Amino acid sequence: GAVVSQHPSRVICKSGTSVKIECRSLDFQATTMFWYRQFPKKSLMLMATSNEGSKATYEQGVEKDKFLINHASLTLSTLTVTSAHPEDSSFYICSARDITEAFFGQGTRLTVV
Amino acid sequence: AQKVTQAQTEISVVEKEDVTLDCVYETRDTTYYLFWYKQPPSGELVFLIRRNSFDEQNEISGRYSWNFQKSTSSFNFTITASQVVDSAVYFCALNVASGSRLTFGEGTQLTVNP
Repeated sequence: GAVVSQHPSRVICKSGTSVKIECRSLDFQATTMFWYRQFPKKSLMLMATSNEGSKATYEQGVEKDKFLINHASLTLSTLTVTSAHPEDSSFYICSARDITEAFFGQGTRLTVV
Repeated sequence: AQKVTQAQTEISVVEKEDVTLDCVYETRDTTYYLFWYKQPPSGELVFLIRRNSFDEQNEISGRYSWNFQKSTSSFNFTITASQVVDSAVYFCALNVASGSRLTFGEGTQLTVNP
């Protein structure tokens, strides 16, 4: 099946710094990718829909200036957490779709200290 | 709007027991897709099944089986003869058009004890 690769799997950063997370579709082209956030023992909450070549669509309550999304090619979307704070610590997971299915990356566990 | 409800937050069973995870969904669309995913402690989401709204046939895959009933808007998942390796969080999800986002349920934490 299709593969979505997400990197890094774990990252620890200091408050105030920015962190970039990459999501790649390895064997198919994804015009749309999705970014989710998951708090401990909670469900996946959609943050934004990433559209190749255009601006991302953010869900209500998600700060677009804090969570920058770039979808520069059909196989790569990036999420940058800017000026990270401890409350941004979470599990972030991306998803890319082909015609029939949604495939998920391995997830990134972000810890801001 | 779409909604997925997994009423069982946590389930604990002893190995070899059968266990059913419930999923109830809400949508006004007539065409939609239902999914089940497994999330082990490592965090990645493992795809288990996708079912479209026009296919109500139940499906069996090894120890896993799914019961889709449109009359009750349910898509329940049964694990037969559970094993310790089945311990994970299981998510039911819905989307209403190919290529659109998924709406997830809250997840059910399944613990299978030896």
